[in-house]
Amino acid sequence: GDSVTQMEGPVTLSEEAFLTINCTYTATGYPSLFWYVQYPGEGLQLLLKATKADDKGSNKGFEATYRKETTSFHLEKGSVQVSDSAVYFCALILNTGNQFYFGTGTSLTVIP
Amino acid sequence: KAGVTQTPRYLIKTRGQQVTLSCSPISGHRSVSWYQQTPGQGLQFLFEYFSETQRNKGNFPGRFSGRQFSNSRSEMNVSTLELGDSALYLCASSLVAGGLAGELFFGEGSRLTVL
Repeated sequence: GDSVTQMEGPVTLSEEAFLTINCTYTATGYPSLFWYVQYPGEGLQLLLKATKADDKGSNKGFEATYRKETTSFHLEKGSVQVSDSAVYFCALILNTGNQFYFGTGTSLTVIP
Repeated sequence: KAGVTQTPRYLIKTRGQQVTLSCSPISGHRSVSWYQQTPGQGLQFLFEYFSETQRNKGNFPGRFSGRQFSNSRSEMNVSTLELGDSALYLCASSLVAGGLAGELFFGEGSRLTVL
């Protein structure tokens, strides 16, 4: 079936450190890939997306590249800030558009 | 424009009771999806409604049900509550069915505690 697997948390980093959160997927069709972020006490909001292989999504200094050959969509940021502390969810939806599949989330804490 | 609004934000129930949660989508959005969020399972898809019709359903027991009204507002109901139903219930709206437009807009959720 269709699914998303992302790295277990929690992740704790110092401010200005480099961030990578791994995400791999299994899809029976051709998916679009997303990263959503959930700040404390809030709902999820879209961080970035990529709709086809080799596309790079980017937003707020975060980037992720759709790698079909490795079925991956790893999230990266070169220099994290305290305000990036949140839970990050990788997700996919097939081009048939039935439903989104979310990973279990990775909690990130950035310390000054 | 106003975002997705969920009510109530917090509620406490006891086992065996039932609960109804409400979601008002962004104006103009016709699709409403519901998710259950728990620490160990992440987001689990419950169901999606589009134009008052259930379009898709996740793998949850029949105790979980929902509906959508002509103004696109949606409710979900959980009957005969169990301890394991304690979770954050998230509603998400999108312009078109299945989020094919590429983005879901989430509410802040309704946190249900079952004692």
